[in-house]
Amino acid sequence: QSALTQPASVSESPGQSITISCTGSSSDVGGDNYVSWYQQHPGKAPKLMIYDVSKRPSGVSNRFSGSKSANTASLTISGLQAEDEADYYCSSDISSSTGLFGGGTKLTVL
Amino acid sequence: EVQLVESGGGLVQPGRSLRLSCAASGFTFDDYAMHWVRQAPGKGLEWVLGISWNSGAIGYADSVKGRFTISRDNAKKSLYLQMNSLRPEDTALYYCAKGLSSTYYYYAFDIWGQGTMVTVSS
Repeated sequence: QSALTQPASVSESPGQSITISCTGSSSDVGGDNYVSWYQQHPGKAPKLMIYDVSKRPSGVSNRFSGSKSANTASLTISGLQAEDEADYYCSSDISSSTGLFGGGTKLTVL
Repeated sequence: EVQLVESGGGLVQPGRSLRLSCAASGFTFDDYAMHWVRQAPGKGLEWVLGISWNSGAIGYADSVKGRFTISRDNAKKSLYLQMNSLRPEDTALYYCAKGLSSTYYYYAFDIWGQGTMVTVSS
């Protein structure tokens, strides 16, 4: 069960937009519309930011959006703020039987 | 307040066993699937096990199959993780997480505990 592929790190300036990719296969990301994204600040528990590819839980800023094309899901953060600096993880499932996370992406807000 | 509180972590020798607990409050526990997710020091997240609302379906990661068991007591609003034959590579912060669905095979987790650390070392 290899982790989904995410860039190790990304960086951008405040106010700009950034997109983090999450690449899998037809057995996981491409197999259904159950991709989720989590934000994790250092020393803190993960926080659900996006589920079902593009849905936002109550309370999550609309600066966060999700999409998917074939076997690659994406998280876009617009109007970057200093507090967005964190690790981001995507997740999916393998044919509904096993959960799977991406390796994580460290976002630096310059 | 919606909350998950894990307990039971600690230092354990390879080959030994440990049982983690997770106490839930602030939501209808028996309406939702529950999961254990772990994070090795400095590493990413790894889904470990999930259990459906009524314990009728359980899923395991290959890395723990045959060694770890998940269970729940809806009357006590509690989730458990029995870890046997522990290995050094099981060293991690173990999170209890609430699923968005009643079935474990829907892997979106909206409530997380703060985690309990398990260290496997001689």
